[in-house]
Amino acid sequence: AQSVTQPDIHITVSEGASLELRCNYSYGATPYLFWYVQSPGQGLQLLLKYFSGDTLVQGIKGFEAEFKRSQSSFNLRKPSVHWSDAAEYFCAVGAHTGGFKTIFGAGTRLFVKA
Amino acid sequence: DAGVTQSPTHLIKTRGQHVTLRCSPISGHKSVSWYQQVLGQGPQFIFQYYEKEERGRGNFPDRFSARQFPNYSSELNVNALLLGDSALYLCASSPTRQSASTDTQYFGPGTRLTVL
Repeated sequence: AQSVTQPDIHITVSEGASLELRCNYSYGATPYLFWYVQSPGQGLQLLLKYFSGDTLVQGIKGFEAEFKRSQSSFNLRKPSVHWSDAAEYFCAVGAHTGGFKTIFGAGTRLFVKA
Repeated sequence: DAGVTQSPTHLIKTRGQHVTLRCSPISGHKSVSWYQQVLGQGPQFIFQYYEKEERGRGNFPDRFSARQFPNYSSELNVNALLLGDSALYLCASSPTRQSASTDTQYFGPGTRLTVL
């Protein structure tokens, strides 16, 4: 069965420091992979997506993610975190079973300290 | 262009009642999906509708139902509400069914349902 694991429930980084959020997926075929961000009281905003091609994907707000098939991972990175990046981050995989659905991980809450 | 809109933004119901949540997709989008997000968890897929037909269903009881209208807007209905139905209900739209494309789902702000 398809699944997404985000090992870190929450992470705290200092403003200006680099960030890496981990994501591991389980999917039999070539996955469609996504990272979404959710600010308090807000819906989900797509940061980036991977369908095929270059395994390093650039997204909005300075985020990037790297697809590593051998490790079943799709980690999200940012070289320098801003205070406004504090939010909940969700990794997700798109699955073509019973229609198309997006399967989300449990999320990682990012705290940014001054 | 307007994004995905949902109404109402907040709703309080009591156990056993029925609730209807509404979603208007982005103009031109024909697919609508519904997700339930319980506090502290990631969203869980409930339904996908495309061209007014159900195309996918998640692991939810029959108390949950939905429909899509000719203008592609959608309603999610939940009967016999339980305390555990308290959650943020998210609607997402995409241009097509996504069966063979690279469509992206665009999410609305959600409806916060509280069941007392």
